[in-house]
Amino acid sequence: KAGVTQTPRYLIKTRGQQVTLSCSPISGHRSVSWYQQTPGQGLQFLFEYFSETQRNKGNFPGRFSGRQFSNSRSEMNVSTLELGDSALYLCASSPKAGPWGAQYFGPGTRLLVL
Amino acid sequence: GQQLNQSPQSMFIQEGEDVSMNCTSSSIFNTWLWYKQEPGEGPVLLIALYKAGELTSNGRLTAQFGITRKDSFLNISASIPSDVGIYFCAGQETGANSKLTFGKGITLSVRP
Repeated sequence: KAGVTQTPRYLIKTRGQQVTLSCSPISGHRSVSWYQQTPGQGLQFLFEYFSETQRNKGNFPGRFSGRQFSNSRSEMNVSTLELGDSALYLCASSPKAGPWGAQYFGPGTRLLVL
Repeated sequence: GQQLNQSPQSMFIQEGEDVSMNCTSSSIFNTWLWYKQEPGEGPVLLIALYKAGELTSNGRLTAQFGITRKDSFLNISASIPSDVGIYFCAGQETGANSKLTFGKGITLSVRP
């Protein structure tokens, strides 16, 4: 079975721009969660989608949003980028909604905001 | 919110040695997960634990779900150079809307 895929792998943007990241979960997985990873804060939960509905949300500003499509693929969007948004953005999929049990991560999208 | 404590931040061991790392929580968890992350990649699931007292192995790795449900440990036996990486614990409280909380990770270095 193919793993979680994320595109693009690397991205450079400037402050004020917006960005959209994409995630394709493992086939058959309907839950997709997004995380931000930085050296200082570690892995922080952004949100979770299941069956096209946001089920859970972390403590991030409204500039961070996401959606899930009927094929379980998910996108996250960050508007009005700030320097502090530079991070590795990770997507994880799970067969079911929370309690998730195990989550399987993709390789991440590394975003650099200049 | 709840926090997971992993310490120390870094560990240095000799190839062939065993190493143990633990993770403690201020909250009771119903799931403990251990992940390994290598540079430029996402975390890879090593072991998942779902019951208090559960002891699970995956090759040279063994992990246990503490009976208080507030801790877990991971043991790596006979370490090899490819064990190098960052090891994260993650836990989830009960409740349909509970989130997965991650520790800050332990960077493991293995000297040949």
